[in-house]
Amino acid sequence: DAGVTQSPTHLIKTRGQQVTLRCSPKSGHDTVSWYQQALGQGPQFIFQYYEEEERQRGNFPDRFSGHQFPNYSSELNVNALLLGDSALYLCASRSGRGNQPQHFGDGTRLSIL
Amino acid sequence: RKEVEQDPGPFNVPEGATVAFNCTYSNSASQSFFWYRQDCRKEPKLLMSVYSSGNEDGRFTAQLNRASQYISLLIRDSKLSDSATYLCVVNNRSSYGQNFVFGPGTRLSVLP
Repeated sequence: DAGVTQSPTHLIKTRGQQVTLRCSPKSGHDTVSWYQQALGQGPQFIFQYYEEEERQRGNFPDRFSGHQFPNYSSELNVNALLLGDSALYLCASRSGRGNQPQHFGDGTRLSIL
Repeated sequence: RKEVEQDPGPFNVPEGATVAFNCTYSNSASQSFFWYRQDCRKEPKLLMSVYSSGNEDGRFTAQLNRASQYISLLIRDSKLSDSATYLCVVNNRSSYGQNFVFGPGTRLSVLP
């Protein structure tokens, strides 16, 4: 039973570029959330997708956008990259029913030069 | 004030020690609570859910006090392998869905 998988594992970009990160949820999970984790801090909630719609959003600018596909997989897009966007980007999935915990992927480490 | 706050840490303890982590949350409507551990440069992994009656899993005990909006994690007989950052997580439910809010984490180093 595959857990949450993310790709790529590492990525290096320069300021102003755009990036797309991908996530496949754990089997049986239909809700996907994205987090940004800067060094030495806890994960910060970006947004959550359920039934192919953005359901909740954290305090992130419109440069951060996403998508969920019919197979529940998801993408995170970041436009006009800034140096401050360098972080570990984590995808988490869960079943939408009840108060189930989230399960995380290994993350994508994004470095902006 | 941050929505979820934790002891700033780091905690450096000898093997075999008992260590307690504290967490407070500000949203009284929070519905479920979890402790995650995160190893250096790895993803967070679920350690345990926290139930109103308190719950225990081996050397780990979690407590919840809804009136005080306070969560704790106790680790007994600590092992070198317990060294990690411990994240307190609160799940808030609204009409828009559910939102998991993470605390900043408390780093634990268990020393030989």
